[in-house]
Amino acid sequence: DTEVTQTPKHLVMGMTNKKSLKCEQHMGHRAMYWYKQKAKKPPELMFVYSYEKLSINESVPSRFSPECPNSSLLNLHLHALQPEDSALYLCASSHLDGRAYEGYTFGSGTRLTVV
Amino acid sequence: AQSVSQHNHHVILSEAASLELGCNYSYGGTVNLFWYVQYPGQHLQLLLKYFSGDPLVKGIKGFEAEFIKSKFSFNLRKPSVQWSDTAEYFCAVSRYGGSQGNLIFGKGTKLSVKP
Repeated sequence: DTEVTQTPKHLVMGMTNKKSLKCEQHMGHRAMYWYKQKAKKPPELMFVYSYEKLSINESVPSRFSPECPNSSLLNLHLHALQPEDSALYLCASSHLDGRAYEGYTFGSGTRLTVV
Repeated sequence: AQSVSQHNHHVILSEAASLELGCNYSYGGTVNLFWYVQYPGQHLQLLLKYFSGDPLVKGIKGFEAEFIKSKFSFNLRKPSVQWSDTAEYFCAVSRYGGSQGNLIFGKGTKLSVKP
């Protein structure tokens, strides 16, 4: 299995809703990432988990809450989002340490619309 | 801080034309270099990567890139483009050593190939 699977593919939520994005990989990667991509912009790093522990939070607002229940799963919990949070949310994974140079594998993303 | 510059925002070519997309990075140490492609409505895919050895690297779909250390450049080339190459192309850099979370993307170049 050489894929990163993200669900749902599309999500529309109100500003008072609570929802979660899910990401799964079975490549044995021990680093997992959340990126946010606005239209016509490059992906921007949000969070990094290494060995299931949060290692980087790029000053992301607390309305975004990541979770890594095990080495294959990564969640992003959403609460009280704003319309400007509408974007494509990408999950990625990679090896760590000596194999990190192999690059990241990205999922297809979740297209989030906040209304 | 690391940065990645892609010189062209939008490139328009006719089929069979040759392609070269510029990418320059700013980091004095050893780096890993990547080109990713994002077809319309699809996820990021790794085209090719450089981490050591031969500075001319070949990727998928007939793409290649040349690492020129003295110029801090990693330009993407294809001798003859096809309509199906229409996509957004992102250059990315990470520091050698496998430190996670430091994949930095350029702003991207949109390639439009006219049939």
